[in-house]
Amino acid sequence: NAGVTQTPKFRVLKTGQSMTLLCAQDMNHEYMYWYRQDPGMGLRLIHYSVGEGTTAKGEVPDGYNVSRLKKQNFLLGLESAAPSQTSVYFCASRQGLAGGRGYNEQFFGPGTRLTVL
Amino acid sequence: GDSVTQMEGPVTLSEEAFLTINCTYTATGYPSLFWYVQYPGEGLQLLLKATKADDKGSNKGFEATYRKETTSFHLEKGSVQVSDSAVYFCALTLNTGFQKLVFGTGTRLLVSP
Repeated sequence: NAGVTQTPKFRVLKTGQSMTLLCAQDMNHEYMYWYRQDPGMGLRLIHYSVGEGTTAKGEVPDGYNVSRLKKQNFLLGLESAAPSQTSVYFCASRQGLAGGRGYNEQFFGPGTRLTVL
Repeated sequence: GDSVTQMEGPVTLSEEAFLTINCTYTATGYPSLFWYVQYPGEGLQLLLKATKADDKGSNKGFEATYRKETTSFHLEKGSVQVSDSAVYFCALTLNTGFQKLVFGTGTRLLVSP
């Protein structure tokens, strides 16, 4: 099992450019998440998905779009990058729960470091 | 809203010293609590967890006890090693819905030989 993988690992964009970050998991997990990590702020949730074909907004969704066309992939898009989107982006996934209660561990990818000039 | 507060770093220790990283939380329900560790250049790994009051999570010599009365989940290790140098995040999640993780700001630990 590769677990959770993210591509690319690094990227530099100019303001106004667009790009897509890819997250893939091979654990057949229902839930997937995108977080951003900024100095002194911990990780903040951008968007999440509770299953194939579904997405929802997290704490800081502005400027991002997501898609989950296949269960194993969760894409994060930046349509017009801004310097404020310079950050490290982490994807995570977890198994769903029978009955909807309790906890299952979130597994994280290695991150994508994005710089917007 | 739900939040996690942890001590600012960096925490600088000599090898074999005792480690404490403080973490307190605010939550509307009954959260599960976690410590995640991030080694340089890597993603986050779950270090330990506790899902109810008075539970003690432990792993790799690290321990933390879920204290509901003080809303705390302090991380401790009796004897740190250079290889423990990393950033440690305290986090919580409520055990319903989509289980958003709420993270603290992270504490960098530097251990010197």
